[in-house]
Formats: sequence, structure tokens, C-alpha cells
Amino acid sequence: AQSVAQPEDQVNVAEGNPLTVKCTYSVSGNPYLFWYVQYPNRGLQFLLKYITGDNLVKGSYGFEAEFNKSQTSFHLKKPSALVSDSALYFCAVRDLTFQKLVFGTGTRLLVSP
Amino acid sequence: GAVVSQHPSRVICKSGTSVKIECRSLDFQATTMFWYRQFPKQSLMLMATSNEGSKATYEQGVEKDKFLINHASLTLSTLTVTSAHPEDSSFYICSARDSRTSGARSDTQYFGPGTRLTVL
Repeated sequence: AQSVAQPEDQVNVAEGNPLTVKCTYSVSGNPYLFWYVQYPNRGLQFLLKYITGDNLVKGSYGFEAEFNKSQTSFHLKKPSALVSDSALYFCAVRDLTFQKLVFGTGTRLLVSP
Repeated sequence: GAVVSQHPSRVICKSGTSVKIECRSLDFQATTMFWYRQFPKQSLMLMATSNEGSKATYEQGVEKDKFLINHASLTLSTLTVTSAHPEDSSFYICSARDSRTSGARSDTQYFGPGTRLTVL
């Protein structure tokens, strides 16, 4: 079965510093990987996805993610964090059999001024 | 683009009543829509997958008679919580997958803003 793991419950970073939110995946076959962000009391907003092609995927709001097949990772990155980036981030993989997304447990990002 | 709306955003009801939540894809067609439930400080739990014109597929442990799903068109799915009880209080989120098979928005689920249900 497809699964993703987000090993960190929370990531703290100072504004202006680079940020990384980690995600590792376990799939059979080629992975379809996604990152979403959730602000308090809101639904999820799509940030980026990897289906095929370049390992470095660029997404919304200056975020990018690097697909690493050998390490089975899909870490989310941003060169310079903003306080407004503080939110809950979910990594997800698409289950190719049932066509549904399987989410990680989420990582809370706190960016301090 | 890729906007999904949910209505209502917040509902408070008495125990025993039924509540209907609407999910609409505003600028794309969605053959498949999904309904999730999220508890505080937890990840999303998929409740069911709805396909336009056919019966929904429910996840294990989700009562299909309790959570009625109708996907009547390519842009609308509804979730009805029947005979709601306080334990049904939760944040319900829908998502819609763009039906296009190519392009930047293909194979991507877009989420609604969520509905906060409180059952008294």
C-alpha cells in the first residue's frame, strides 16, 4: 500500500531563513506525490506535485520540492521563510489502485519574526 | 482557477436533525469528488469517494446510511449527515479532482474551505 511519512510534528524557523519540511514515501511503482498547506479552520491549498519529469518541482508561494528516488523522499523547501508561511503542511501520495490521496500526519511550521 | 466551494462554512444543529453540505467545483469539471473528516490537530480521514452518476465508495468503518453522498453532476457533490449526534461534530472537507487527463491541473485534487459542524 502507498504511504507517506512526515517525521517532524513541528518545524521552527526564523523569518528569512531557509526551511525544509520532510516527507518520505513508500510506493509500489511510480509515485504521484503532492504537498498541501492548511491554514487554521480552512481547507487544504495545493502547493505542488510530482508526477514525472524534473526532480525539482516548483510550486506556489515560492515553495519547491525535490523528488529523490534513491532516498524515497519528497522534501518541501523554501529559500527564505515568511511569518505568513506558518501553517500545517501535508505530504500526500496518490494510491493508484483506488485513486485516492493518502496523507501524512502533517507538520506544523512556525516561522518566528 | 481550480476553486472548490463548500456551503455552509459553519452549521450548528440539534441532535437528531439532518445536515446537508454542498461541494462545488467552480471552474472545472470533477468526475470524482472526495469527502474527508478532520479532527482537531489530526490529519484528514477519507470518508468516501464519490463518482458522478454512480454510488459512492465508502471507506471501512464509515456508515453509508449515516453519511449520504450524492454526486449528481460534474460540479456538485453533497454530503448529508443524517440524524446527527454530538459525536458527528467535526470539520468536514471536500475535494474535487480535475477531470482533465493532461495539463498542469490534471491528476490534482483541489480542496474546499471546509464545513464546521457542531451538533448540540
